[in-house]
Amino acid sequence: AQSVTQPDIHITVSEGASLELRCNYSYGATPYLFWYVQSPGQGLQLLLKYFSGDTLVQGIKGFEAEFKRSQSSFNLRKPSVHWSDAAEYFCAVGASGTYKYIFGTGTRLKVLA
Amino acid sequence: EPEVTQTPSHQVTQMGQEVILRCVPISNHLYFYWYRQILGQKVEFLVSFYNNEISEKSEIFDDQFSVERPDGSNFTLKIRSTKLEDSAMYFCASSDMRNDQPQHFGDGTRLSIL
Repeated sequence: AQSVTQPDIHITVSEGASLELRCNYSYGATPYLFWYVQSPGQGLQLLLKYFSGDTLVQGIKGFEAEFKRSQSSFNLRKPSVHWSDAAEYFCAVGASGTYKYIFGTGTRLKVLA
Repeated sequence: EPEVTQTPSHQVTQMGQEVILRCVPISNHLYFYWYRQILGQKVEFLVSFYNNEISEKSEIFDDQFSVERPDGSNFTLKIRSTKLEDSAMYFCASSDMRNDQPQHFGDGTRLSIL
């Protein structure tokens, strides 16, 4: 069955520190991969997407993610976190042949001043 | 940048009542979706809609639910007889192609069933 796993429910980092949020997926078809961010009371904002090509993708707000097919992973990274990055981050998978995205359970990021 | 807009932002309804959630997708998009997020849980797909018909739906999307594009701009989700377990945040999304472009989400409607 298709699934997305975000192993870390909560992550706390200090402002200025680097960040890596993990995402693993299980999908039989070629996946399309996404990271969305949700600030409190807000909707889902697309950070970045991977459809094909270069496995390192750049997104908004200084985020990047790397698709590793051998590890079925699509981890999100940022070299230096800002206090405004505190939010919940969702990894999602889509695929050719289906309209739906499957979301992970999310990782809530807390940033310490 | 164009965005998906949803109204109302918060809807409170008595159990058993009908509720309609409204969405205005991005204007040149052709594919429309509803998802829901029960408090503390993951975002779940409900239904997708293209060319005035449902193209895919989940097991959650039972006969209590229906979708409609009543005019050229709105996309609605109707819950016929609400249950307590329908309380959730409902997100509308749209995309201009099925797979090769990402889905863009609105800010959601928080539905509270009393």
